[in-house]
Amino acid sequence: GQNIDQPTEMTATEGAIVQINCTYQTSGFNGLFWYQQHAGEAPTFLSYNVLDGLEEKGRFSSFLSRSKGYSYLLLKELQMKDSASYLCASTGTGGFKTIFGAGTRLFVKA
Amino acid sequence: DADVTQTPRNRITKTGKRIMLECSQTKGHDRMYWYRQDPGLGLRLIYYSFDVKDINKGEISDGYSVSRQAQAKFSLSLESAIPNQTALYFCATSAGGRTGELFFGEGSRLTVL
Repeated sequence: GQNIDQPTEMTATEGAIVQINCTYQTSGFNGLFWYQQHAGEAPTFLSYNVLDGLEEKGRFSSFLSRSKGYSYLLLKELQMKDSASYLCASTGTGGFKTIFGAGTRLFVKA
Repeated sequence: DADVTQTPRNRITKTGKRIMLECSQTKGHDRMYWYRQDPGLGLRLIYYSFDVKDINKGEISDGYSVSRQAQAKFSLSLESAIPNQTALYFCATSAGGRTGELFFGEGSRLTVL
């Protein structure tokens, strides 16, 4: 089976750094995704990791440890517009279907 | 115009009614998916299709059916809607390949009274 766990909510201050953790257990593994979803909108792709290590893309970075079944999303220089839900998702063997965690709601305060 | 279009965007219906949610895409992707989203539960996969003749059950397919009428169209049906099917439904597409990134439609909010 597949199980993905991430914190329900987090709060951080504008300009700060926040790390959102995700642990996963999947039958087969073909990659770990992070999506951003603003309230009332569709999810949008942020990052993809299939190998261990850190992937950096501007203010956002994503890390993967396959042996630990662990990933995190790092957001730097937080802005108010970063207030959103962040969805951790994994794809099983063959990349046929993507399974999502419940999401972490991030509140950025001034 | 959106690459992945869902209709209707909002629908209120009564228990026992048949409902169809439609999805069309202009991205040329072979893979299409239907998810439902509920507060606290995240996105759950209902059905997915990799080709016109290919239909696969996801995590929560009971009470739902789908039809892949063409590469660009994938519809979700609720044969006899019940209140616990009240949710936000998303269609998504993917080109597959290395990343399998999903591209989502804007969502269809369904309320079953």
